[in-house]
Amino acid sequence: QVQLQESGPRLVKPSETLSLTCTVSNYSISRGYYWGWIRQPPGKGLEWIGSIYHTGDTFYHPSLKSRLSISIDTSRDQFSLKLNFVTAADTAVYFCARLNGHNPNVWGQGTLVTVSS
Amino acid sequence: DIVMTQSPDSLAVSLGETATINCSSSQSVLYGPDNKRHLAWYQHKAGQPPRLLIYWASTRESGVPGRFSGSGSGTDFTLTINNLQADDVAVYFCQQYHSGPPTFGAGTKVQIK
Repeated sequence: QVQLQESGPRLVKPSETLSLTCTVSNYSISRGYYWGWIRQPPGKGLEWIGSIYHTGDTFYHPSLKSRLSISIDTSRDQFSLKLNFVTAADTAVYFCARLNGHNPNVWGQGTLVTVSS
Repeated sequence: DIVMTQSPDSLAVSLGETATINCSSSQSVLYGPDNKRHLAWYQHKAGQPPRLLIYWASTRESGVPGRFSGSGSGTDFTLTINNLQADDVAVYFCQQYHSGPPTFGAGTKVQIK
């Protein structure tokens, strides 16, 4: 059974970089699928962040594109998110997911990242 | 971006009865080349990650009980939960993946009456 787990700092200062890694278990990400990040600010709905294919092809949400980088390490079965110049508006639960097309069908548990000084 | 609007915000349904959740998109999510409706539904229980229930508007994901069904076309879609069980208490989201960044509805909270 494929499992995903997010890891990274839970507290990030404003203007700094939010970095998260998703580790995939029981599946080699080089076999295929897109892998993505979705977030949910407190009390709000889900927001698509972006996705990456095992080849490195990426798709970023246009509103985040200037601050966002998603990378993949097939040797470690991991993919990562970096979001620069964060503000309080970036406080959210961040989920990583395996995508069936554009549909996340396997999700990580999610991790709350708070942007605060 | 396509805006997804769900109604109601919440509903309470008796065990064994039917819950109906609506989702409207600001533009059609029917994709011409494949004639498919690019609309999905998710279940999100407290403390758990979301779960994909339905994609292509009406195709159940593997393992999803048959009491969950999706319907609709163009811009108006419905998730129906028949024979509501206690385990179905959750927030339900719709998602479009027709164009632009995928976008989600705000969610509908389903509770037991």
